[in-house]
Amino acid sequence: QQQVKQSPQSLIVQKGGISIINCAYENTAFDYFPWYQQFPGKGPALLIAIRPDVSEKKEGRFTISFNKSAKQFSLHIMDSQPGDSATYFCAATEYFGNEKLTFGTGTRLTIIP
Amino acid sequence: GAGVSQSPSNKVTEKGKDVELRCDPISGHTALYWYRQSLGQGLEFLIYFQGNSAPDKSGLPSDRFSAERTGGSVSTLTIQRTQQEDSAVYLCASSLVGIAYEQYFGPGTRLTVT
Repeated sequence: QQQVKQSPQSLIVQKGGISIINCAYENTAFDYFPWYQQFPGKGPALLIAIRPDVSEKKEGRFTISFNKSAKQFSLHIMDSQPGDSATYFCAATEYFGNEKLTFGTGTRLTIIP
Repeated sequence: GAGVSQSPSNKVTEKGKDVELRCDPISGHTALYWYRQSLGQGLEFLIYFQGNSAPDKSGLPSDRFSAERTGGSVSTLTIQRTQQEDSAVYLCASSLVGIAYEQYFGPGTRLTVT
């Protein structure tokens, strides 16, 4: 019940295209959903996060879409650039509860020219 | 300001030896986490320290793994009698208490057990 399932495992997108990564969770106590970006040789870094009281959050070219009834959320990267090539992790936690993040298994994104 | 630092950045050890990995969190961050990331895999939670509370050790894979945090700051992860399956990148993260969703990660220690 603590899992966060992430897909796809790897993704190749042409420059300028839209990259979409999907996550699903089971624990209904989760109420905060951050995304982390990890470049090779570096630790993950917080990219964007959403609470379930909104269905969408946009920051620049990055958008999180959230479907509470389906217990799913996704990251969309618009106008994908080679510099976006990285591994992306979705995560979930209880905003006022358990002080831990449950991470998805990661998506390796490659943007090709 | 300074981010989370970890040392060493790389460690090669022989099977059966003990290793110690160090993490210096961001100043003022009272929550500290250790994760393990195997090649091409996700982030496996190991242990969590929150202030002076007893640590959450629920993710430690065996009793060969232990961690301590001295003075509410620096943390050391110790792996005894290392095995080849312990080879991975060990990541440390810190956060302000109550803001677990915003964790700041160090660059990790790459452990190779030969």
